[in-house]
Amino acid sequence: EVQLVESGGGLVQPGGSLRLSCAASGFTVGSDFMHWVRQAPGKGLEWLSVIYSGGRTYYADSVRGRFTISRDTSKNTLYLQISSLRTEDTAVYYCARDPELRYGLDVWGQGTTVTVSS
Amino acid sequence: QSALNQPASVSGSPGQSITISCTGTSSDIGGYNYVSWYQQHPGKAPKLMIYDVTNRPSGVSHRFSGSKSGNTASLTISGLQAEDEADYYCSSYRNSSPLDVVFGGGTKLTVL
Repeated sequence: EVQLVESGGGLVQPGGSLRLSCAASGFTVGSDFMHWVRQAPGKGLEWLSVIYSGGRTYYADSVRGRFTISRDTSKNTLYLQISSLRTEDTAVYYCARDPELRYGLDVWGQGTTVTVSS
Repeated sequence: QSALNQPASVSGSPGQSITISCTGTSSDIGGYNYVSWYQQHPGKAPKLMIYDVTNRPSGVSHRFSGSKSGNTASLTISGLQAEDEADYYCSSYRNSSPLDVVFGGGTKLTVL
């Protein structure tokens, strides 16, 4: 079964950092295009970042320079390092698969919650 | 403010059809066929319903269909069922420097 399971969320103070993980099963993260998307409480979806199968990475303007997407193919896991956190970064963070880079995200994780508060 | 414009809410009775619009620009919806639609029930992850404007993933009901005209994409749900009540989001690739993916603000579908 194709599945994504996120972890690593939690409560962090403004200015702090976290590393979110997204463990994949049923497919190889290194062979597909992988995205991170977030959803603030009561709000819509916001695209954050993508890593290509070849390793190239792209970011939304709102997080470029603060967030870093990466992967470990030996662990079949995707990561999102989030730093210099602001209260407006409070959200559920989802990882998702894009099998053909056509921006249709066909498999999503269950999400991990990040709360930025003092 | 979201990059793509969707109505905040739509409603319909069981068995009826509804259409949700999603308006963008020539840099996104109008310029590319990378439009997707997602269904999200409360507390759940989004689910891909339509990709490449008109294509349904395996397992998605034929009651869901997508289309595009100019800078506006549409999702039509026919034969409304109670379980269709959810939030729906459109999404598109946007030609931006260097790259962007944009979402609509979401539409709450109520089945009366």
